[in-house]
Amino acid sequence: NAGVMQNPRHLVRRRGQEARLRCSPMKGHSHVYWYRQLPEEGLKFMVYLQKENIIDESGMPKERFSAEFPKEGPSILRIQQVVRGDSAAYFCASSQGFNQPQHFGDGTRLSIL
Amino acid sequence: GQQLNQSPQSMFIQEGEDVSMNCTSSSIFNTWLWYKQDPGEGPVLLIALYKAGELTSNGRLTAQFGITRKDSFLNISASIPSDVGIYFCAGRSGNTGKLIFGQGTTLQVKP
Repeated sequence: NAGVMQNPRHLVRRRGQEARLRCSPMKGHSHVYWYRQLPEEGLKFMVYLQKENIIDESGMPKERFSAEFPKEGPSILRIQQVVRGDSAAYFCASSQGFNQPQHFGDGTRLSIL
Repeated sequence: GQQLNQSPQSMFIQEGEDVSMNCTSSSIFNTWLWYKQDPGEGPVLLIALYKAGELTSNGRLTAQFGITRKDSFLNISASIPSDVGIYFCAGRSGNTGKLIFGQGTTLQVKP
């Protein structure tokens, strides 16, 4: 399977803990995007990265959220000191270029107790 | 900020019927994309449109990029039960990869 791989598929955290979500893009894709989806809603853009660089983080909350896409390894979306409102499905997408179609992974469903 | 208005919000149709849904915006987009999402899964790309006026088909699906660059529609012909799911439009503008998504159209097909 050469698709976008996200793990874990489900993640449960208690308030105040840290959540780390991982995304391995499709082979040959160097552009990665993170989106958040609440129940019954569309996806909301969070951040766009291209190997080691953050290109657009206009959708990222100013505090507690960070993202990286290192030279080697998967992209990581990190949420520190999680709160109940962080509960959502987080999707990663990748593309060959910024104007090329984005292909999505199956998401990580984050639940905060 | 940019918003996409997708309609209808939901549809309940008989198997074999044709379906049409659309997205409109007050902003211009350079790219329109249509995705289908099944429960518990990520969106799957159906059709990508890059030019105003472009009409593209993928099997029983047909989508068009509006001339004004502010709208797009998706048609599904001769619907079947596996067409059930949530359909999203998404638009991209400027020189960023950021996609703006519509609110989705939930399609239910009665056998």
